[in-house]
Amino acid sequence: DGGITQSPKYLFRKEGQNVTLSCEQNLNHDAMYWYRQDPGQGLRLIYYSQIVNDFQKGDIAEGYSVSREKKESFPLTVTSAQKNPTAFYLCASSIRGRGTGELFFGEGSRLTVL
Amino acid sequence: GEDVEQSLFLSVREGDSSVINCTYTDSSSTYLYWYKQEPGAGLQLLTYIFSNMDMKQDQRLTVLLNKKDKHLSLRIADTQTGDSAIYFCAEGGSQGNLIFGKGTKLSVKP
Repeated sequence: DGGITQSPKYLFRKEGQNVTLSCEQNLNHDAMYWYRQDPGQGLRLIYYSQIVNDFQKGDIAEGYSVSREKKESFPLTVTSAQKNPTAFYLCASSIRGRGTGELFFGEGSRLTVL
Repeated sequence: GEDVEQSLFLSVREGDSSVINCTYTDSSSTYLYWYKQEPGAGLQLLTYIFSNMDMKQDQRLTVLLNKKDKHLSLRIADTQTGDSAIYFCAEGGSQGNLIFGKGTKLSVKP
């Protein structure tokens, strides 16, 4: 079945460590997105990519980095510079420029910093 | 700037109708969306409405759009305990992303 796979589902990290969250899609979508979700805050856009080898900062990019070397993959690295990284991270993808513009989401990765 | 507002909580009894309201700011958004999030899971698209429509009905779901007031609502008829979740309203962003509200947590009491 086509979809978006995020891994790991749960991740624990010590302060000062970088961690990378995986996002893979087999929907042949051009665009991919990373959102952060905090209780009562809704979803906030971290980074997005509309095409391979190109990505743009979203509203809260500080302390995060991404890469888009393959169409299917858009990993997110949470660096030690992110001051409050404990959150639920959601990856999404969409067809660029066509269709209804809806986003398809993965099941999320919950990061806890100890 | 782009912004979406919705109330944070709604509590209803099983069998009643639920109405979740949302206001948005970007009148150029072609589509407006309702997503549902179960605990610990990702978001699933419930329904969407094209911006030149006033209403869309899909089984127990009715979406009403008032473009003049930039107001969107989602009505769930005969609400069931399985409808308990967080519901997000969203409008299209300028970069192909979606701008989400903070989510309305719907609690259904038996």
